[in-house]
Amino acid sequence: AQSVAQPEDQVNVAEGNPLTVKCTYSVSGNPYLFWYVQYPNRGLQFLLKYITGDNLVKGSYGFEAEFNKSQTSFHLKKPSALVSDSALYFCAQAGYIPTFGRGTSLIVHP
Amino acid sequence: GAGVSQSPSNKVTEKGKDVELRCDPISGHTALYWYRQSLGQGLEFLIYFQGNSAPDKSGLPSDRFSAERTGGSVSTLTIQRTQQEDSAVYLCASSRWAPSDRGPPHEQYFGPGTRLTVT
Repeated sequence: AQSVAQPEDQVNVAEGNPLTVKCTYSVSGNPYLFWYVQYPNRGLQFLLKYITGDNLVKGSYGFEAEFNKSQTSFHLKKPSALVSDSALYFCAQAGYIPTFGRGTSLIVHP
Repeated sequence: GAGVSQSPSNKVTEKGKDVELRCDPISGHTALYWYRQSLGQGLEFLIYFQGNSAPDKSGLPSDRFSAERTGGSVSTLTIQRTQQEDSAVYLCASSRWAPSDRGPPHEQYFGPGTRLTVT
């Protein structure tokens, strides 16, 4: 069965520091991986996706993600965090029925 | 352009009552999904519509839940005889891509959700 896992419920980082939000996946066949962000009282917004090609994917708001096939990971990264990046982040795997991780709450401290 | 809209944004109902939640997807999007989001539980898939095909209802938690999509556009999720455990945020999403399509998948576009509280 396809699945994604986000091992951290919460990530805390100081503004200006780099951030990483972790995601691992399990899939048979090609992995199609997505990151979404959810701000309070809002629906999920698409950030970026990996379909094929370069392992480093760039997305919205300065975020990027690195696909690592050997480690079955797709971690979300940003070189310099902003307080406004504080939100709930979801990793997802496309498929007949998309599967989502449980979400990671990112808190960026001023 | 207009995104996915959902109504109402908030709904408080008494246990045992029926509720209807509405979703207006992005025009032209083939696929429509309903999810339930509970605190700390991530997104739980409920039901999936693709065009005029029969929906995939495999995620519906009980027979009190049903959904329809009229004319391949607007969808309504109905919960009958609501229970307190139905309290959650119900999210709708649409996409240009469906699993039967050729080519890689596209992202989903989510509505703001309906927060359902059953008292």
